[in-house]
Amino acid sequence: NAGVTQTPKFQVLKTGQSMTLQCAQDMNHNSMYWYRQDPGMGLRLIYYSASEGTTDKGEVPNGYNVSRLNKREFSLRLESAAPSQTSVYFCASSEALPALYGYTFGSGTRLTVV
Amino acid sequence: LAKTTQPISMDSYEGQEVNITCSHNNIATNDYITWYQQFPSQGPRFIIQGYKTKVTNEVASLFIPADRKSSTLSLPRVSLSDTAVYYCLVGDLTNTGFQKLVFGTGTRLLVSP
Repeated sequence: NAGVTQTPKFQVLKTGQSMTLQCAQDMNHNSMYWYRQDPGMGLRLIYYSASEGTTDKGEVPNGYNVSRLNKREFSLRLESAAPSQTSVYFCASSEALPALYGYTFGSGTRLTVV
Repeated sequence: LAKTTQPISMDSYEGQEVNITCSHNNIATNDYITWYQQFPSQGPRFIIQGYKTKVTNEVASLFIPADRKSSTLSLPRVSLSDTAVYYCLVGDLTNTGFQKLVFGTGTRLLVSP
C-alpha cells in the first residue's frame, strides 16, 4: 500500500546513545516532515524538508539532525539521546501545498530514553 | 500562521451528531481550514478541508461562516470508532508553494455506548 513507512516502530535507548529514525514515502511527494508528540500533547514540528536537497528547522530542532537522502527518504538522527527526547515520532509527507492536499503520516516510532 | 482555538475535550454517545468548533480569528485571505483525526497509537489522518461555506465528504462535514473566523466539524451519528483526537489547522496557500502547518493540542472526543 502506498504511504509513509517508518522504522523502527519501537526503540529503547540509554542516555547518550545515538540512533537514526528512518522514513520513506512512495507517493512522489516533494515535502517531508518530522514531528514529535508527547503524552497528551499535540504534534510539534522538529524539522522539515520542503523539497529534495533542502532542510529547515521547525519548532523544536535542538538535539536532532536530519538528512533528506533523496526524494523518498528523510531520516532523523539523535546524536546523544536524552530522557527529554522520550516521545512518539511521526514522519509525514505532502505535496507542496499541504493546506490544500493534506499530509500523509506514518504510524510512528515510539522512543524511550532511559 | 493563524492561531486556532478548540475545546480540549468533548463527550458524546453513539448515534449522536457531534459538532466541534474551532476559532481562528486572525485567518488570512489565502488561508484554508483543514481537519485531521488521530486514533491512539496512529499518526493523524487528513479528513476534510475547506475555504468557505460548506464541504461534505464521506467522513464529515465542514461548515465555515462568511467571516471565516471559525469553522465547525460535524460528525453525523458517531460510533465508538470515532473516539479520537481532532485537530483544526489553518494553512496559508502562498505563492511560494510551500507551507508547513502547525498542530495544536486538538479536541479529544470520547464516544460512549
